[in-house]
Formats: sequence, C-alpha cells, structure tokens
Amino acid sequence: NAGVTQTPKFRVLKTGQSMTLLCAQDMNHEYMYWYRQDPGMGLRLIHYSVGEGTTAKGEVPDGYNVSRLKKQNFLLGLESAAPSQTSVYFCASTTGLSKNIQYFGAGTRLSVL
Amino acid sequence: GENVEQHPSTLSVQEGDSAVIKCTYSDSASNYFPWYKQELGKGPQLIIDIRSNVGEKKDQRIAVTLNKTAKHFSLHITETQPEDSAVYFCAARVNFGNEKLTFGTGTRLTIIP
Repeated sequence: NAGVTQTPKFRVLKTGQSMTLLCAQDMNHEYMYWYRQDPGMGLRLIHYSVGEGTTAKGEVPDGYNVSRLKKQNFLLGLESAAPSQTSVYFCASTTGLSKNIQYFGAGTRLSVL
Repeated sequence: GENVEQHPSTLSVQEGDSAVIKCTYSDSASNYFPWYKQELGKGPQLIIDIRSNVGEKKDQRIAVTLNKTAKHFSLHITETQPEDSAVYFCAARVNFGNEKLTFGTGTRLTIIP
C-alpha cells in the first residue's frame, strides 16, 4: 500500500527553468493538496483540488500552476522558477468525508539557484 | 481567513518528563483540530485530533485539550521517550466543504536521554 507518492525527491533548478512535481495517491481520495514548508513558517497551502478536473488557489499560489486530470494524480508546475521557490514541497490527500485525515507524501526538496 | 499560532518553536525535555505545546486560533467557526508529527526526512503524520464538541481526548501517552471560549488547544505528551523527538504541527479547519487545514508554524521537540 503506497499511500501518497511524490516524485522527484530532490531537484536543483536554475532560475527561469521549469519543472513539474508529481503527486500520486492510491487511496481513491477526492481531495488533494500541495503545500510548501519553509523554516519557521510551517506548512502553507499552495493549491488544492476537491475532485478530478477541479483546482483552486490556496494561501500562496503565485508562481505555481496545478492540474488534476486524473483522480489519483495532482501535478504542481513551476513555469519559471525563482530562488524564492526554494522549499520542501508536500502533497497530501483526504477522502473529503467527515474524518478529515490528510495523508502526506515524503516531500520533494527543491533548490532554485 | 484562519490564523493559527503555535508555541514554543523549540522545546527540550528530559526523557520521562512531560511536554506541552500550545496553539491558538482566530476563527471561532473552526471545528476540527488535528496534530501532526513530522520525523526527519518524512511527511507529517496525524497523531491525534479533536472536534469542537469535545473538550479533551487521550490516546495512551498523548492527549489534546480544547478551550473553545479562549480559542486555544494544547498537545500533552507524558512519559516522553527518545522516539518522541520530532517536529509537531497543530492545525485548524473551518468547514467550508474543502477540508482545508491551516497549520501552525511547528514545534521542534527534543527529548534529552
């Protein structure tokens, strides 16, 4: 039972490059989330999805785009990476039912030089 | 929107002693308060949660208390062990149907053998 899988685990980009982070869950969850984690700032929500084909902005959406073409996958894109996007990115998912346990992936550590 | 403050940011306790982490929230409509534990190199994992209709909940050595009037909730860990060393996050949810959580900034707990 894999749960929530994030790829890649590590990545180094140069300023202006683009990349896509992939999140895959095998729990048939409706809701999926992308967070970034920075020292002293906790987990901040970037974008989220309440079902296949839907996306919505979170607290810090600027510079990121997302897509949810398949229920099990939630992609986070950086079109033109900036040093301010150096962070650890976490994906999470939940059923959307009353028991709101969010299950997290192991994270992607991204450095933008 | 919701704002969650968490204190302290770091906490060191002797093995066997108790640890207490406190959080306050701003939105009186928040109705669900989970606590997550993040071990080094891993994603956060739910350890205990409480709903707004309950004042206290206990699970073995961990307990959470909620004071809705004062809008604060706390995590209590008794008989601490080395494996309790981790970063702990509190969170709050206002139920708008998207299951979004607002996280505190985290507490790094170190258990001193």
